[in-house]
Amino acid sequence: EPEVTQTPSHQVTQMGQEVILRCVPISNHLYFYWYRQILGQKVEFLVSFYNNEISEKSEIFDDQFSVERPDGSNFTLKIRSTKLEDSAMYFCASSGDSLETQYFGPGTRLLVL
Amino acid sequence: ELKVEQNPLFLSMQEGKNYTIYCNYSTTSDRLYWYRQDPGKSLESLFVLLSNGAVKQEGRLMASLDTKARLSTLHITAAVHDLSATYFCAVDTYRRSQGNLIFGKGTKLSVKP
Repeated sequence: EPEVTQTPSHQVTQMGQEVILRCVPISNHLYFYWYRQILGQKVEFLVSFYNNEISEKSEIFDDQFSVERPDGSNFTLKIRSTKLEDSAMYFCASSGDSLETQYFGPGTRLLVL
Repeated sequence: ELKVEQNPLFLSMQEGKNYTIYCNYSTTSDRLYWYRQDPGKSLESLFVLLSNGAVKQEGRLMASLDTKARLSTLHITAAVHDLSATYFCAVDTYRRSQGNLIFGKGTKLSVKP
């Protein structure tokens, strides 16, 4: 069964460093999303992406964040200058249609020291 | 602002018992989703409820949606230990966006023998 994959599974970085989280959505999907979950808390929407551009972003998704689909398969989330409060599990999700179920990847656990 | 509230947030059940998790949301929505998350894992889609009065069942879980009351329920029948997990409901804000999901805080379910 097709699934969303994410790399790395864990990332430790120093405050102020740039990180890139990678996702490979399900191959025929058109809508892509990033969410994050701070430990023990609820899942929060960051950004949605369709047709090679951002569809919507939340207040969390400030100028330090960017997304890109550099080729036909990858979907990346970049945090330019990480802060301690960026420590969280970051989930990528994709769907074939914005009306359908979103399928979540396994997540990348980011720890900012 | 769309708000999604779940209750209870913590639920300890004995095997064989029945219980219901409630999900209220604050504004009109097109779709409601239920996800399951095991500790340290990703989110697994359980149900997508698309219209008022929708009811879906899978095994010991049954979900329903009342769009007029802005309420969804997840009913657990004859709980077993394998159902121990955190259950999230999420509401789709499609009418205002490309389908980003707003999640509740989750209900942590523990089923004890």
